[in-house]
Parts: sequence; structure tokens; C-alpha cells
Amino acid sequence: DAGVIQSPRHEVTEMGQEVTLRCKPISGHDYLFWYRQTMMRGLELLIYFNNNVPIDDSGMPEDRFSAKMPNASFSTLKIQPSEPRDSAVYFCASSFGGGNQPQHFGDGTRLSIL
Amino acid sequence: AQKITQTQPGMFVQEKEAVTLDCTYDTSDPSYGLFWYKQPSSGEMIFLIYQGSYDQQNATEGRYSLNFQKARKSANLVISASQLGDSAMYFCAMREPPGSGYSTLTFGKGTMLLVSP
Repeated sequence: DAGVIQSPRHEVTEMGQEVTLRCKPISGHDYLFWYRQTMMRGLELLIYFNNNVPIDDSGMPEDRFSAKMPNASFSTLKIQPSEPRDSAVYFCASSFGGGNQPQHFGDGTRLSIL
Repeated sequence: AQKITQTQPGMFVQEKEAVTLDCTYDTSDPSYGLFWYKQPSSGEMIFLIYQGSYDQQNATEGRYSLNFQKARKSANLVISASQLGDSAMYFCAMREPPGSGYSTLTFGKGTMLLVSP
């Protein structure tokens, strides 16, 4: 079975540019999560969706960040305008149901803002 | 307050030896779940093992087992017969149910494990 698929794997762009990260969750999973990982702050939950509806976006750092899930098989995380401090690894994860079901992570997008 | 504490920034173990990675947690809710993930140098996050707060037995998955001590609020990961491929960062995470709806995971800062030949 295919796992969580993220694209691109690496992104290098200049400050001020718009960045769009993409995620395809595992088929049949009804929860989708976006995380950010940095050395300083570790793994932070940014936002999560249930059945394509955003449930909690309290982790989104600023209005420059937005996330959408137009259907069950696709989600985007957008940063506009990007800043150097947004440089991090961004993970998408999905799970089936809540409770004891593990979240399955994608390979991440390594984002560098120059 | 930190909910998940991993006190060992780094651990060294020789191949074929067993190693224990520590994790303590803080919660006042009787219902919670504990997860361990592995992150090799390639960067992906791999789910290893799960322990529920009401589970009667310690979880095991192949060479991984969880030493769950509820009264001490600890959920240590034990890796038996270490292999070179076990060298990675290991994260402990906790799920707490909120008042309603799905709960999210809180991750510890991780422990880097290095396995030497």
C-alpha cells in the first residue's frame, strides 16, 4: 500500500516567495495532520483535518500560513510570503480514526528560505 | 510544562546488545496513549509501537518492547539485539483525549541512538 506522499521533497526559494507544499494521505484515512520540525522547537503540530474539515489550526504560526484540504486525497500547506525563519522540515501525516491509531508520516519536505 | 520528557539526548550501544530509551510523561487524564517513532538520518518518521493507558500488558513489536510503568508515568522503549540500522533519532509521543473530539500527539525532544559494530 502506498504511504503518505509529500511533494516536493526539497524546496529552496527566496524570501518573499509563495511556497506550496502538497500531501496525499493514505487512502481511507480520515485524519490529516501538518507538522513542522526544527532543531530549536522539535516537532510542532500546525493544523489537522478530519474528513477534510479543519479542526484545530491553533499551531499555525502566523497568517502567512494557510492550509486546505479540498478532498479526501489532497491537502496543501501554503506560506505567503515566506521568510527565512520558516526554514524547516514539514511533515504531513494521516490516520484512520482517533484513539490508538498511529499517525503515518510522509517523508517530509525540507524547506529552505534564503 | 513539558508533557513528554526524554532525558537522554544521546545513547550509545554495541551491536547485538539491548538498549533502553527513557520516556516520562505528565497527564492527569486516566485515558491516554503512548507512541514511539523512529527517525533515521534519511528523515522519515516511522511508527514503532503503541501502549494504551488501560492495556494490561506491555506492548511488544518484534525487537521493540515498551516498559510501561503507569505509577511512575514512564514508558521506556526497549530495543533488543541492536542492529546498525537502529541508529536513528527516537521520539516518544503522547495522545491525551481532550474534552471532545480527536486528540493530537505531543512529542518529546527525542533521543539519538548510535549503534556501533
